[in-house]
Amino acid sequence: DTGVSQDPRHKITKRGQNVTFRCDPISEHNRLYWYRQTLGQGPEFLTYFQNEAQLEKSRLLSDRFSAERPKGSFSTLEIQRTEQGDSAMYLCASSLEFGTSGMAGPDTQYFGPGTRLTVL
Amino acid sequence: KQEVTQIPAALSVPEGENLVLNCSFTDSAIYNLQWFRQDPGKGLTSLLLIQSSQREQTSGRLNASLDKSSGRSTLYIAASQPGDSATYLCAVPYAGGTSYGKLTFGQGTILTVHP
Repeated sequence: DTGVSQDPRHKITKRGQNVTFRCDPISEHNRLYWYRQTLGQGPEFLTYFQNEAQLEKSRLLSDRFSAERPKGSFSTLEIQRTEQGDSAMYLCASSLEFGTSGMAGPDTQYFGPGTRLTVL
Repeated sequence: KQEVTQIPAALSVPEGENLVLNCSFTDSAIYNLQWFRQDPGKGLTSLLLIQSSQREQTSGRLNASLDKSSGRSTLYIAASQPGDSATYLCAVPYAGGTSYGKLTFGQGTILTVHP
């Protein structure tokens, strides 16, 4: 198991362009999360999937953002008509649905290296 | 709405010192609390997950405690090393409804350990 991977690691784009990021979770994890982190802040939740179903979207996710997880494996996050305020680190995490070894509650989330987006 | 606060925002210590990072949360109805480490420009590495039924969890030189009733957790780092320099984040997951598992993070504590 190689952990959570994200591609690309860095993306520089011009305002108004569309960008797409990819996340490959740990293979047996059925939950996949997207977070956004700006400089000096903790990550903020954007959306998550259980298998292929998108269960919640944050109000931070405007209509320009869309996420998919078509076969319950990898996920994509697309930003249309990028704005300078979209510049951030986009983090993906995955987890099992429930804790392992009889642990109650949500299980540990494992994060990928992130995609750093810069909008010029 | 869950809010998570970390104190101090930044900490600079000489190598070898023992130190404590603090995390507080407003809603005590939690299942667990997770501590992460983040190196500059990188993703998050999970350090410890402490369940609400536990009072402490240890991994090497790290020890996390949880006082659910008072809404506090501490991360204790023993014999700090320059390689411990990073941002430390605590996070609490939602445990109900469609928000299940969603993490709320503190702003982090930036730790610098100088030789």
